[in-house]
Amino acid sequence: DAKTTQPTSMDCAEGRAANLPCNHSTISGNEYVYWYRQIHSQGPQYIIHGLKNNETNEMASLIITEDRKSSTLILPHATLRDTAVYYCIVRENNQGGKLIFGQGTELSVKP
Amino acid sequence: DVKVTQSSRYLVKRTGEKVFLECVQDMDHENMFWYRQDPGLGLRLIYFSYDVKMKEKGDIPEGYSVSREKKERFSLILESASTNQTSMYLCASSANRVAKNIQYFGAGTRLSVL
Repeated sequence: DAKTTQPTSMDCAEGRAANLPCNHSTISGNEYVYWYRQIHSQGPQYIIHGLKNNETNEMASLIITEDRKSSTLILPHATLRDTAVYYCIVRENNQGGKLIFGQGTELSVKP
Repeated sequence: DVKVTQSSRYLVKRTGEKVFLECVQDMDHENMFWYRQDPGLGLRLIYFSYDVKMKEKGDIPEGYSVSREKKERFSLILESASTNQTSMYLCASSANRVAKNIQYFGAGTRLSVL
């Protein structure tokens, strides 16, 4: 699985959009980009994933650059409950298989 | 709604005790996983299972064993607990779907071995 690089921490004002970047310059053609988050003292939670097209669901939007070497997770209207560590993971969609979590980005949403 | 339930949120055990961590999922998922999470080390895979009575070692299986007698239940066993097994333990499950391989996690069990 390709390696990812994320900023260690970010701040965001409540109600504003939070844009979390991720670099994955060695991504291969059959690898997807997944985002999870982990709120303090809870298990990780799936947010969204994509291959090459931009994706949107009820939680977030995922923007993947045309060369697929980087992506951005967008939380359109961040709330205090979005304070968490956000993990960008690149992996093939084979059946089963472990997730390799890096250090992630610690997002603090401030009032 | 997707649900992965771990039997305990907090456990305190003594060195040398045999410890059982239980995980149950209600989504009829084929795959189940046990991870441990430690500060600075991220999540590390201990064992996983792709089917009933089937198990595979992950990256750090030493000191652990697992049991999967039923599809919905995956148990992690610490045969003789040691202080270096103090950690947060996370169970996850996923379905065999190629285009959407999502792992769902339980809330975690924080184990302290004294």
